[in-house]
Amino acid sequence: AQSVAQPEDQVNVAEGNPLTVKCTYSVSGNPYLFWYVQYPNRGLQFLLKYITGDNLVKGSYGFEAEFNKSQTSFHLKKPSALVSDSALYFCAVSDTTDSWGKLQFGAGTQVVVTP
Amino acid sequence: NAGVTQTPKFQVLKTGQSMTLQCAQDMNHNSMYWYRQDPGMGLRLIYYSASEGTTDKGEVPNGYNVSRLNKREFSLRLESAAPSQTSVYFCALTGGGITGELFFGEGSRLTVL
Repeated sequence: AQSVAQPEDQVNVAEGNPLTVKCTYSVSGNPYLFWYVQYPNRGLQFLLKYITGDNLVKGSYGFEAEFNKSQTSFHLKKPSALVSDSALYFCAVSDTTDSWGKLQFGAGTQVVVTP
Repeated sequence: NAGVTQTPKFQVLKTGQSMTLQCAQDMNHNSMYWYRQDPGMGLRLIYYSASEGTTDKGEVPNGYNVSRLNKREFSLRLESAAPSQTSVYFCALTGGGITGELFFGEGSRLTVL
């Protein structure tokens, strides 16, 4: 069985400050980890993924995430947040490459960036 | 997402009524998925289809049926709607390979009274 925890319902940050959204996971095999973002009344958009290789993954819109196997974490980061980064962020995990779309999603973290 | 089209965008049903959510893609991807999104619960997989003519259950299939008659379309049917099925439904697809990226539709907001 696989699961994802996003411990914070909401993260508040001032524009220009660093942004971190936390994610921990549990899988029985190798983890394949994803971050998605959802703007109001829209579908989810892919940000980045970790499949294998370098633990630091860079994605869209200046976001990056670090895979930490010992802590089973995959935190999303952005060095300098923008007001336009305000959205709902989802971490997701799969333990199989047989079907990439069979993901276990976290509950989501609302990010609010204030000017 | 222009590649994934969901209809209808909004629907209100009475308990016991039936309806079908439609999803069509123009991205020529093999695998298609139906998720539901509920506050505080993230997204949960209802059904998926790895290819034309095949379907499999996801995490929360009860109360739903699906149909994948061709590569382009994947429909989700509620035979007898219940208030617990009030949700936002998303169709998504992926091309497989090593990309792993899911492409989502804009969602269908369903309310069951």
